[in-house]
Amino acid sequence: NAGVTQTPKFQVLKTGQSMTLQCAQDMNHEYMSWYRQDPGMGLRLIHYSVGAGITDQGEVPNGYNVSRSTTEDFPLRLLSAAPSQTSVYFCASSYLGGNTEAFFGQGTRLTVV
Amino acid sequence: TQLLEQSPQFLSIQEGENLTVYCNSSSVFSSLQWYRQEPGEGPVLLVTVVTGGEVKKLKRLTFQFGDARKDSSLHITAAQPGDTGLYLCAVPHAHTGTASKLTFGTGTRLQVTL
Repeated sequence: NAGVTQTPKFQVLKTGQSMTLQCAQDMNHEYMSWYRQDPGMGLRLIHYSVGAGITDQGEVPNGYNVSRSTTEDFPLRLLSAAPSQTSVYFCASSYLGGNTEAFFGQGTRLTVV
Repeated sequence: TQLLEQSPQFLSIQEGENLTVYCNSSSVFSSLQWYRQEPGEGPVLLVTVVTGGEVKKLKRLTFQFGDARKDSSLHITAAQPGDTGLYLCAVPHAHTGTASKLTFGTGTRLQVTL
């Protein structure tokens, strides 16, 4: 079982470059989300989606774009990378509704220099 | 203002010791989850508690949801090195209509040494 797959695992970008973090899940989950994890700040929600064609902003959306063209994929785009976006990024998926288990990918460690 | 406050932030103990970590808030929640995250991995769900006062046990881990559903605790008995990791509590954003949308606490980083 693949679960949630994120690529790449590591990335170094120069300030101003753009890139896309990939996320795919094979559990037919309606809900997908992106978090960033910084020391001492836990996981903060960037964007989320409740189904194909539907996305919404989370707590820290600035500088990031998402789209959801299929149930399986939920890519996160950095439009113009900044050092403040240096972080570990996690994609998660779950069924819709309360008390559902969120499944996380292994994360992408991004450094912007 | 952080919705969920976890304490302590860091905890380093020896194998065999007992410990308790806390997740506190001034808000009332319909449910609360605990996740554990090992280095280089994503968080993995340990338990979901839904009823005020509820106690759930998972081997040596005991989880309790506060009577008022504003806080929770995680107690580990006879800690082992395999318990090392970051423990995160999380609650749903039920008021937005998307209960799947989770807010996480800042986490407690536990290290258990031999």
